[in-house]
Amino acid sequence: AQSVTQLGSHVSVSEGALVLLRCNYSSSVPPYLFWYVQYPNQGLQLLLKYTTGATLVKGINGFEAEFKKSETSFHLTKPSAHMSDAAEYFCAVRGVGYSTLTFGKGTMLLVSP
Amino acid sequence: NAGVTQTPKFRVLKTGQSMTLLCAQDMNHEYMYWYRQDPGMGLRLIHYSVGEGTTAKGEVPDGYNVSRLKKQNFLLGLESAAPSQTSVYFCASSPGSMNTEAFFGQGTRLTVV
Repeated sequence: AQSVTQLGSHVSVSEGALVLLRCNYSSSVPPYLFWYVQYPNQGLQLLLKYTTGATLVKGINGFEAEFKKSETSFHLTKPSAHMSDAAEYFCAVRGVGYSTLTFGKGTMLLVSP
Repeated sequence: NAGVTQTPKFRVLKTGQSMTLLCAQDMNHEYMYWYRQDPGMGLRLIHYSVGEGTTAKGEVPDGYNVSRLKKQNFLLGLESAAPSQTSVYFCASSPGSMNTEAFFGQGTRLTVV
């Protein structure tokens, strides 16, 4: 079985502040982990993914995430928020041997001037 | 390169009517998926396919049917629409390897009145 928990349905930050979006996963097999971003009225776009190798993964738009097996976490961070980062962010897991991705409920990031 | 294309983008149905949503991908992907997105619920898997001629149930399959007669197309059918099926529907595709992400279409906004 596989599942994803995203802590906080909404996160508010000021422009220039650190962004931290939390994701914890559960998987009975080694996981592949993904972060997606969704802008209003659009589909989902891949931000970054962890498959194997380096546990700190860099993605587009200055985002990065760190896979921590001991904590079953894959938190998304960005050092300095920009207004254009306002969107909904989804964490997803695919366990080795699984053909499907399981998504979290999403976190809406709000960025204020 | 169009990627994943969903047709139609918007639709309003009356309760009891039927319709088919079409998903087409031009990336020669083996796997295809249908998700629904509802506020606060994230993306939930309806049905998926791991190859031409195969389909399988996801998390919320009731009230939906699918077909994958051609590798590039994945159809989602609603035989008798209900207001509970009001949602945004996303199609996605991915290659057959486990460590790859899914690519999403732009979504279909369906309202059942």
